[in-house]
Amino acid sequence: EPEVTQTPSHQVTQMGQEVILRCVPISNHLYFYWYRQILGQKVEFLVSFYNNEISEKSEIFDDQFSVERPDGSNFTLKIRSTKLEDSAMYFCASTLSTDTQYFGPGTRLTVL
Amino acid sequence: KQEVTQIPAALSVPEGENLVLNCSFTDSAIYNLQWFRQDPGKGLTSLLLIQSSQREQTSGRLNASLDKSSGRSTLYIAASQPGDSATYLCAVRRLGAGNNRKLIWGLGTSLAVNP
Repeated sequence: EPEVTQTPSHQVTQMGQEVILRCVPISNHLYFYWYRQILGQKVEFLVSFYNNEISEKSEIFDDQFSVERPDGSNFTLKIRSTKLEDSAMYFCASTLSTDTQYFGPGTRLTVL
Repeated sequence: KQEVTQIPAALSVPEGENLVLNCSFTDSAIYNLQWFRQDPGKGLTSLLLIQSSQREQTSGRLNASLDKSSGRSTLYIAASQPGDSATYLCAVRRLGAGNNRKLIWGLGTSLAVNP
């Protein structure tokens, strides 16, 4: 069964460094998402992406964040200058025309 | 602003028991509601999706109901097993135009099924 994959599973970085989180959505899906979950808190929406552009973004998704679908298969989330409060589990999701969102296993980002 | 609440926050039951998890949302203008399972340190697995026009959905031992007017959904798990131990999350997609499909999440119910 097709699944969403994410790499790396765990990323440790120093504050102020740039990180790129990578996702490979299910191949025929059209809508792509990033969510994050800070330990002990609710899952939060960051951004949705459709037709090669951002369709919606949250207040969290400021100028430090960007997304790309560089080659038709990967979907990346870049954080330009990480802060301590960016430490969280980051989930990628994709969906086709049905509304069930399929999630990857997540990347645990630790900012020191 | 849509808020999603789940009660109880934690639940511990003996194996074989039937149980109900609750989810409530403040704005009834939803497009659909999804129930997910999250194992510790792992990703989110979709269990059931209920469209706003539906009253319930079933998958195996799981049954989810939706009462949109009262802002409530329940997830019923029949004959619980230790393998059901996980955190169960509900998430709603609000009504909105076009491609805005973000999900708004509850904090989850942590379920422990004891052998």
